[in-house]
Amino acid sequence: GAVVSQHPSRVICKSGTSVKIECRSLDFQATTMFWYRQFPKQSLMLMATSNEGSKATYEQGVEKDKFLINHASLTLSTLTVTSAHPEDSSFYICSARGGSQDTQYFGPGTRLTVL
Amino acid sequence: LAKTTQPISMDSYEGQEVNITCSHNNIATNDYITWYQQFPSQGPRFIIQGYKTKVTNEVASLFIPADRKSSTLSLPRVSLSDTAVYYCLVGAWGNNRLAFGKGNQVVVIP
Repeated sequence: GAVVSQHPSRVICKSGTSVKIECRSLDFQATTMFWYRQFPKQSLMLMATSNEGSKATYEQGVEKDKFLINHASLTLSTLTVTSAHPEDSSFYICSARGGSQDTQYFGPGTRLTVL
Repeated sequence: LAKTTQPISMDSYEGQEVNITCSHNNIATNDYITWYQQFPSQGPRFIIQGYKTKVTNEVASLFIPADRKSSTLSLPRVSLSDTAVYYCLVGAWGNNRLAFGKGNQVVVIP
């Protein structure tokens, strides 16, 4: 139990385009989902907290107009990187809170490369 | 967000028990301690969570002293596949935001 999926697992796009990443909790409902980014050899950095049916809460320094988050249902949250630039290239990981331990369960991550 | 401190790295031989420590001096009364394992290019995997004393599951044990200012994750008889970064985090039950520290790179040697 407590499985979280992400799609796509890897995406390459041109600078200026937008990319959408999906995060799904497959076997539990998650009222809260989280988005992180991780640069090589570094730890995870929390970007935003997403609650179903309400606006996401962004961490300081994260541009909400650039990283659009939608949490339309109890099992799905999406992150859209708008007008992507090479510096947005990173490993994006989502998590969903719930399951038997009522803790955060993480997705496998999405590798974004912006050319 | 409560901060945690871990050793940067450690090596262990295959088959040994590995104890990974974490300091969380500013842990709050309602904070829980959670440990994750991360392999390269993968999302963190939940290992174990506890509040006090000892918690054990099928993969690990978590030891928390009475003052709760530290914790120790114990992995019995590690194998090469246990080479990973291990993160310890503290957060209140119901408080969703977790701050990842640098983690502890554990390398298992044959």
